[in-house]
Amino acid sequence: GAGVSQSPRYKVAKRGQDVALRCDPISGHVSLFWYQQALGQGPEFLTYFQNEAQLDKSGLPSDRFFAERPEGSVSTLKIQRTQQEDSAVYLCASRGDEKLFFGSGTQLSVL
Amino acid sequence: DQQVKQNSPSLSVQEGRISILNCDYTNSMFDYFLWYKKYPAEGPTFLISISSIKDKNEDGRFTVFLNKSAKHLSLHIVPSQPGDSAVYFCAASALSVSNFGNEKLTFGTGTRLTIIP
Repeated sequence: GAGVSQSPRYKVAKRGQDVALRCDPISGHVSLFWYQQALGQGPEFLTYFQNEAQLDKSGLPSDRFFAERPEGSVSTLKIQRTQQEDSAVYLCASRGDEKLFFGSGTQLSVL
Repeated sequence: DQQVKQNSPSLSVQEGRISILNCDYTNSMFDYFLWYKKYPAEGPTFLISISSIKDKNEDGRFTVFLNKSAKHLSLHIVPSQPGDSAVYFCAASALSVSNFGNEKLTFGTGTRLTIIP
């Protein structure tokens, strides 16, 4: 499709497990963002890429969170040793025409 | 510290009437404001935006008003239609001080709008 694609759509993890969330941005979009949306809250900024360069990671909550975009296209958000407070919807967005286009998100539940 | 606030968690409006959604912000560095609409199980979709150099922007049934001195913006939808039922997020960014074109957005907590047929 032509939109931002995220997988998996749902992920259930046991506490302490590592998870990897994938984002396929719209083809040709240089800028890519990750946001975290907790239940009942608005999305909160995690990190920003311009091509393969991670230019801002100020929103990552801890060093258990790691994001990469090695070829400037697909991006992966990895969370190590997941904890219950990591449960949220993780949204990826890419920018084109001066607008952010969001994917449908990955809903992560940590038990 | 909530820099963007949407104090009404929900709003119900009769079809055909005007819907008014409100948003307040505290960070005076914000100079670009946006409204996003979100349906269940989907990501937010861009609706309308306004730069701080303007006080009004209109796009079809949607108008955003900005009152910089009050640090307040509002979204007007007229006439309201059943398909407008969704969660609306207000968002802001500080483009003038953003690095590398990083227009990271600060979102409010959202207002759930229900249009009653």
